[in-house]
Amino acid sequence: QSALPQPRSVSGSPGQSVTISCTGTSRDVGGYDYVSWYQQHPGKVPKLIIYDVNNRPSGVPDRFSGSKSGNTASLTISGLQAEDEADYYCCSYAGLYVVFGEGTKVTVL
Amino acid sequence: EVQLVESGGALVQPGGSLRLSCVASGFTFSSHDMHWVRQVTGKGLEWVSIIGIAGDTYYADSVKGRFTASRENGKNSLYLEMNNLRVGDTAVYYCVSLAVTDDAGFDVWGQGTMVTVSS
Repeated sequence: QSALPQPRSVSGSPGQSVTISCTGTSRDVGGYDYVSWYQQHPGKVPKLIIYDVNNRPSGVPDRFSGSKSGNTASLTISGLQAEDEADYYCCSYAGLYVVFGEGTKVTVL
Repeated sequence: EVQLVESGGALVQPGGSLRLSCVASGFTFSSHDMHWVRQVTGKGLEWVSIIGIAGDTYYADSVKGRFTASRENGKNSLYLEMNNLRVGDTAVYYCVSLAVTDDAGFDVWGQGTMVTVSS
């Protein structure tokens, strides 16, 4: 039940694209198509931005996209905007439990 | 409005006990698996427990044997009984319906309740 490894930080200039990886195992990320991504601004509650690997909830901009290959899930933010500066967490179903990623701080330069 | 409201957070001494509560509104509470997730200030999210619609429960290794989740569907309520609390349990505790165990991206978070374990 260790947290899923994510890069501690990524950065990009406005308009650029950044990708965050979330590395799991066949018992979690690789075993199920139940991976979500959350955005959390300081002092705020986490907000769902991707569910079931690559689906966006209503209202989430299409510059956010998710994918999965084997045991690794990825979140891509295309056309980075200032308001995208936040912490991002992956979350995976793992059978009898759930596991979150370590979190990645996205900085907009 | 879909909403989860937690209560019960407090300052407690190491070894003490505390009971958190969460009241749901705006959705059919009894039809959803429910979770507790915690976050140490400035740190990441940590899954704590799940309670299924049938009342089955599973826990993170870090709290197993000390925490007990329960639900009262008639009161739209979720509870977390925390015993033998440790300094490391200090965190904001969220009551959550997580998309990874639900349908079509249903995902609801409470505002959180602060638990501080300190002497």
